[in-house]
Amino acid sequence: DIQMTQSPSTLSASVGDRVTITCRASQSISTWLAWYQQKPGKAPKLLIYKASSLQSGVPSRFSASGSGTEFTLTISSLQPDDFAAYYCQQYHSYPWTFGQGAMLEIK
Amino acid sequence: EVQLVESGGGLVQPGGSLRLSCAASGFTFSTYSMNWVRQAPGKGLEWVSYISRGSDSIYYADSVKGRFTISRDNSKNSLSLQMNSLRDEDTAVYYCARSAYDSNRFESWGQGTLVTVSS
Repeated sequence: DIQMTQSPSTLSASVGDRVTITCRASQSISTWLAWYQQKPGKAPKLLIYKASSLQSGVPSRFSASGSGTEFTLTISSLQPDDFAAYYCQQYHSYPWTFGQGAMLEIK
Repeated sequence: EVQLVESGGGLVQPGGSLRLSCAASGFTFSTYSMNWVRQAPGKGLEWVSYISRGSDSIYYADSVKGRFTISRDNSKNSLSLQMNSLRDEDTAVYYCARSAYDSNRFESWGQGTLVTVSS
């Protein structure tokens, strides 16, 4: 199975900050990576697919990059609505696996 | 608008069974693969099961293999998960999730249904 590891697990930041979350795969997944945002009590929402493609309707302050085993999600200027948990997911191969999550908290 | 509505969750004793359902609308259900993804309380996301458009490909996570059965009825736009021999560690919110047309990223999610396994 492909293991996905996110860092940091928790991140404290302020409105307007630029933040980056990293996701590492235990083996190469090319660019078969997605990022999700999840708010408390809600279902996850797809933000990014194919490592760097923005899902329709997602604000442009979200961006992502990477290939192979190392990937990043960047939020250029944090808005109050962005404080949430973020998960990466590989869809290179079965079983499809998620990172453990990164909680973005208000400082 | 894509809508996925799960139902069937509840409290069940260890060793018991439960059947979850997901009603789909707003898209052509028969043309998309579907999944179940779960989230234990306070924990991360775990993919559980996948079924292809025509039910010819089915996959399970090792943690549920042999105990859970995924199925779909394209005539009724519905997805199901039969859960048998339930364990404490199966306690979670279970989400129905639609795959993208070309890969197994999860484009659309239901609101989830809570399954609690406890005596």
